[in-house]
Amino acid sequence: AQSVTQLGSHVSVSEGALVLLRCNYSSSVPPYLFWYVQYPNQGLQLLLKYTSAATLVKGINGFEAEFKKSETSFHLTKPSAHMSDAAEYFCAVTSAGGTSYGKLTFGQGTILTVHP
Amino acid sequence: DAGVTQSPTHLIKTRGQQVTLRCSPKSGHDTVSWYQQALGQGPQFIFQYYEEEERQRGNFPDRFSGHQFPNYSSELNVNALLLGDSALYLCASSQKETQYFGPGTRLLVL
Repeated sequence: AQSVTQLGSHVSVSEGALVLLRCNYSSSVPPYLFWYVQYPNQGLQLLLKYTSAATLVKGINGFEAEFKKSETSFHLTKPSAHMSDAAEYFCAVTSAGGTSYGKLTFGQGTILTVHP
Repeated sequence: DAGVTQSPTHLIKTRGQQVTLRCSPKSGHDTVSWYQQALGQGPQFIFQYYEEEERQRGNFPDRFSGHQFPNYSSELNVNALLLGDSALYLCASSQKETQYFGPGTRLLVL
């Protein structure tokens, strides 16, 4: 079985400040990890993904994440927050094989608020 | 290149009714997955279709069923609707491991 824990259901930062959204996962097989962003009343947009290549992954809109196997973490960062980053962010895990193949398991989400 | 499309965008039903939601995948994608997202929660996996067969299924009752057509589009059917089925239903398409989501169908059951 796989699971994802997102620490902090709400994160608030000032415009221009560092954004750090935390994600820890549990998986019995090598994982594939994803971050998605959801704006109000919309679907999910892929920000970035880790699929067993480089451990530091760069995504859209200046976001990046680092896969740390020893810490079972995949935290999302952005050096400088912009007002347009305000949204809900979801971390998700799946695997290349096994019983979880093809099934994305999501965390509960983190709502990011950006203050001017 | 059109992304994943879903119809309808919104739907209101009453308890006990049946509903069908539709999804068209991105061009070149052969796999369709369905998720239910209740208010304030992360999406929950319902099932996945590949080559017109259900390949994976999450922890949802048999009231939830689906279909995939030869052109890879898909339908999600829910029978005997309950109030608790009110949610945003998301469709995602993929060719390999990365799933791309549509805008969703918001279902309200009264």
